[in-house]
This record gives sequence, structure tokens and C-alpha cells, in this order.
Amino acid sequence: QVHLQQSGPGLVKPSQTLSLTCVISGDSVSTNSAAWNWIRQSPSRGLEWLGRTYYRSKWYNDYSTSVKGRLTINPDTSKNHVSLQLNSVTPEDTAIYYCVRETYYFDSWGQGTLVTVSS
Amino acid sequence: QAVVTQPSSLSVSPGASASLTCTLRSGINVDTYRIYWYQQKPGSPPQFLLRYKSDSDKQQGSGVPSRFSGSKDVSANAGILLISGLQSDDEADYYCMIWHSSAMVFGGGTKLTVL
Repeated sequence: QVHLQQSGPGLVKPSQTLSLTCVISGDSVSTNSAAWNWIRQSPSRGLEWLGRTYYRSKWYNDYSTSVKGRLTINPDTSKNHVSLQLNSVTPEDTAIYYCVRETYYFDSWGQGTLVTVSS
Repeated sequence: QAVVTQPSSLSVSPGASASLTCTLRSGINVDTYRIYWYQQKPGSPPQFLLRYKSDSDKQQGSGVPSRFSGSKDVSANAGILLISGLQSDDEADYYCMIWHSSAMVFGGGTKLTVL
């Protein structure tokens, strides 16, 4: 049974970088049969897929055009986790952020991290 | 115009059936897409219900009752989640999702009220 444990600050100042970590247990970040996604949810923007990383003989990343250029998703094989870094945040980035495993669908979700962007 | 559109709310009586629609933007042919459906209850992340492309290409989520089913209305360019024998526990937000232009796109969700 896979478990995704998220961590990171709940408050970030505008223009700074939002950083979250998702520790994976019960699976490997470098598995060939899953991808590791970040999805956020807010009342104004609903559910929004941000991007993913996955390993298929080499590492790949896909990013949503809405955050491309500001978002980096990185795997860490030594710690078996995946991280999110979102630069130059604004109040529009206030949301619950989820780490999500994707196999044939989004089958395992982290507990969610409420991140507020405010000075 | 949004890629995927869902009605914001739907109210249905217990025991009846609910048909939740997921309409794709004009020019995006529903026939070629797998439609994914997720259920979300307050305070919890979404949970996978099922995905549907055709009767020969569909998948039910683990433990999801058969009274949840998927279909398409090609004439309306829409995916449909049908929930039969509605129960109070089915009251939740329902989201559809497609993979479009190298990105996952969610609909805005339908709040289903059972009353």
C-alpha cells in the first residue's frame, strides 16, 4: 500500500519560492510503472494539474502551461521523494497542494498541504 | 471557453439515478478521449471512480460499486457519469478529467446533492 507524506511551509510571501516535499513509502520514485504528480485545488481555480515526473529508462517531466517556467518537479532517489518548487508566487497560487501517484489513473493522494501566499 | 465544462450543481432524490455530464469544448471530439471521473468529499482528496472511452475500453476503480458507470453522448460531445440507486453517501463533488494537449485537464466539478 503506497503512502505519500507531504511536508512544507503553509505560508509563503509573494515573489518568493514555494517548496514542498512528498516522501513515498510502499513504492519507488524511480518505478517504471508510475508517475508522480502535483495537483492543486483552490475555490477560484478548482482542481489544477501542475505537472509530473516519471522514470522510463531516463527521467521525464511534463508541466502545465499555466505554471511552466515557474515550476520544477524533481525526484530524489536517495530519499525516495519528489519535490515541487514554484517560483515567484502570487496570492493566486494560494491553494491546497497534493502529491499524487499516477498509474492508470490518479490512485494515491497525499494528505494535501494548504499553502497561503501572503505578506 | 474551457476545455471541459460541468454543471456546477445537481440535486436528485434518494433511490433515483443521476446523470452527470462532462462537455468537451467544440473542436475536441469526445469520441477520442478517455474520460476520468473522481469523487471528492469534504476534507478529503479526490478518489478515482472510473474511466470510460468505450464499452471495450473502460476501467472501474477498486471497490467502486457497479451502480457507478460511464458512457458518452457523442451528439452532445459529452462524457457521462451515471449513478443509479442514489444514496445519501453519494453526496459529494464529482470531477471529470481528460488528457489533452500533453496536460491533464479537470472540469470545474459538479456538486451532487441527494435530497
